[in-house]
Amino acid sequence: GQQLNQSPQSMFIQEGEDVSMNCTSSSIFNTWLWYKQDPGEGPVLLIALYKAGELTSNGRLTAQFGITRKDSFLNISASIPSDVGIYFCAGPAGGTSYGKLTFGQGTILTVHP
Amino acid sequence: DTAVSQTPKYLVTQMGNDKSIKCEQNLGHDTMYWYKQDSKKFLKIMFSYNNKELIINETVPNRFSPKSPDKAHLNLHINSLELGDSAVYFCASSQEGASRQYFGPGTRLTVL
Repeated sequence: GQQLNQSPQSMFIQEGEDVSMNCTSSSIFNTWLWYKQDPGEGPVLLIALYKAGELTSNGRLTAQFGITRKDSFLNISASIPSDVGIYFCAGPAGGTSYGKLTFGQGTILTVHP
Repeated sequence: DTAVSQTPKYLVTQMGNDKSIKCEQNLGHDTMYWYKQDSKKFLKIMFSYNNKELIINETVPNRFSPKSPDKAHLNLHINSLELGDSAVYFCASSQEGASRQYFGPGTRLTVL
């Protein structure tokens, strides 16, 4: 089946630093999604990307749909303590998969004040 | 106003018991899902329903039986619980099987 590989697996940064993480796939995706999961909560959709090369921002977050359609990137600028959590990339599985999402393993972000 | 809600939040039970988790969404979506998140935080889809009809069943043991009484509700019943069923179960919904899925807060199931 399709797999999404996220890197890095975890990050420890100081408040105010910028963060970059990425997600790669062995197959083409037509949509890329980035979710954040706070401890004890469900994933929350941050950004959705629908076109190769697309760059979309949501506040301090910026995500890009890779040109090859096999990768996506998420950047967080000027991190703050509430950015702590697990960030997941996701994309729809191929074929007749009606709503079936494949998730990456997640990037755990820790921000030190 | 909670968009996707689940009950209970925590469920602790003995091996062999039968338990249910309930999910409701007030977003007007017609597709609902169950996901399982394991101890390594990996999220995997279990089921999806569209307008009360089962669409996806990801080779989940038949001890797990989803039921959708209407398109706003999707419940998960688990028979003969096993230790390996311990996980966090998330309900989600979207419109017409779209990728933009909205998740509930999760139910942490612990089987002793």
